[in-house]
Amino acid sequence: KQEVTQIPAALSVPEGENLVLNCSFTDSAIYNLQWFRQDPGKGLTSLLLIQSSQREQTSGRLNASLDKSSGRSTLYIAASQPGDSATYLCAVNSYGYNYGQNFVFGPGTRLSVLP
Amino acid sequence: NAGVTQTPKFQVLKTGQSMTLQCAQDMNHEYMSWYRQDPGMGLRLIHYSVGAGITDQGEVPNGYNVSRSTTEDFPLRLLSAAPSQTSVYFCASSYEGQNTEAFFGQGTRLTVV
Repeated sequence: KQEVTQIPAALSVPEGENLVLNCSFTDSAIYNLQWFRQDPGKGLTSLLLIQSSQREQTSGRLNASLDKSSGRSTLYIAASQPGDSATYLCAVNSYGYNYGQNFVFGPGTRLSVLP
Repeated sequence: NAGVTQTPKFQVLKTGQSMTLQCAQDMNHEYMSWYRQDPGMGLRLIHYSVGAGITDQGEVPNGYNVSRSTTEDFPLRLLSAAPSQTSVYFCASSYEGQNTEAFFGQGTRLTVV
C-alpha cells in the first residue's frame, strides 16, 4: 500500500529565504507526483505535476524534483514571500487504479513566511 | 468558468441523519472523485467515477454512496451519518488519463453530532 510522508510538518521562515519541502513515498510504481497548495478554508490548487519519466518541473519561483527510485520529491521555493504562507500537499498517483487521478496524499507541510 | 463547485460549504448533522453533498464541474471532465480530509492525515479517496454511469470505491468507501447520471454532477450521499464522518470533504475532477491536472472544489465542512 502506498504511503506518503512529508517533512517538516510545519515551517516558519523570514521573508526572502529559499526553502525546501520534502515528500517521501513507499512504492515507486507511480504515474506522477503532484504538489498542491491549500489555503485555510479553501480547496486545493495544483502547483506542479511531475510525470514518472521526468526529473523536475519548474513554475516561476517553484521547482519540484522527483527521484522515483528512492521514493522522494522536493519542492523548492525561492525568495519566499508572505503570500506563500499555506499548507503544501504532496500527492502520488499510483498504479493500482485503471483510470484517472487517484491520489495518495501526504499530511502536508504548513508554511508560514514572516514579513 | 466556475470550475468545481461544492455545496453546501458547511453542514451540521445529527447522528443517523442522511444528506447529499453536491459536486458539479463545468469543464467536461470525464473523471471525478471524492476525498475526505481529517486533521493530521492526508486526503483519502472515498469514491471515484470515470464517466456517467461508472463509479468505483476508493480507500474509505464505507458509509457513503455515489452515482453519476451526468458528466457534470457527482453527488456523495451519507445514508446514516456517524460522528466518525465528521470531516472536510473535497470533490475533484480531471480529464481522463494519468497525467492530467486535477481541479478541486472548495470543500464541505461536515460535523456530525
